[in-house]
Amino acid sequence: EPEVTQTPSHQVTQMGQEVILRCVPISNHLYFYWYRQILGQKVEFLVSFYNNEISEKSEIFDDQFSVERPDGSNFTLKIRSTKLEDSAMYFCASSVFGEQFFGPGTRLTVL
Amino acid sequence: GIQVEQSPPDLILQEGANSTLRCNFSDSVNNLQWFHQNPWGQLINLFYIPSGTKQNGRLSATTVATERYSLLYISSSQTTDSGVYFCAVLRANNLFFGTGTRLTVIP
Repeated sequence: EPEVTQTPSHQVTQMGQEVILRCVPISNHLYFYWYRQILGQKVEFLVSFYNNEISEKSEIFDDQFSVERPDGSNFTLKIRSTKLEDSAMYFCASSVFGEQFFGPGTRLTVL
Repeated sequence: GIQVEQSPPDLILQEGANSTLRCNFSDSVNNLQWFHQNPWGQLINLFYIPSGTKQNGRLSATTVATERYSLLYISSSQTTDSGVYFCAVLRANNLFFGTGTRLTVIP
C-alpha cells in the first residue's frame, strides 16, 4: 500500500541553523501539507501546496519557513534560522482531495 | 477559526471494556477524520467520515454533521489500542485537529 515517507526521522540542530525536512508524498496525490506537533500538544496546520504553489498557510508559517517541490516526487520544508520553539514533530501529508494521509514525522530538536 | 473539542481528555480502561470518544466542532465542515497516534508518534488513519456511520473491526464512528459532533466507539479494547485519538475537521481542504483523548488500556 502506498504511503507518505519522511526523512530524516530525527534531526538535531543548533539554534540559528537552517534545516530542510524532506517528504515523498503518495505518487498520484495532488495536494501536499505540512503540520507540526509540539510535544504533548495537538497537531497544527502549517501550509498546504497545490499546483506548485502555496494554497494556504497558517499564522505559524512566517518568513522563516518555505516549501518547495524541487522535482516530481519530493516536497520539502525549510526553516531558515531555527529557534528553540521550532522544536516539534513535523508531519507531511498528502491527498487527492479530502482524506489526508500522514507520513511518520520528523522529530526536530533545536538546541 | 474553527474550534474542535474532544472529550474525555484522558481515559483508562480495563482490557475488554468498551468506550466512546466524542468530538464537537464549532462550525460546518467539509469532512472529518479520526486518527490514532501510536506510542511512536505515528498518525494512523482510522476513519474519513463526513456523516453517517462506518465500522472497521472493533472500531466504529458516527458523524452527525448537522449537530456538529462525531463519536468514535472502541469495543473489546486491547492494550494495543493505547495512545492518543485525534479527530480533525476538514475546512477548505485543511485539517484542524482537536486536543485529543489519551487512552490507556491496562491488562
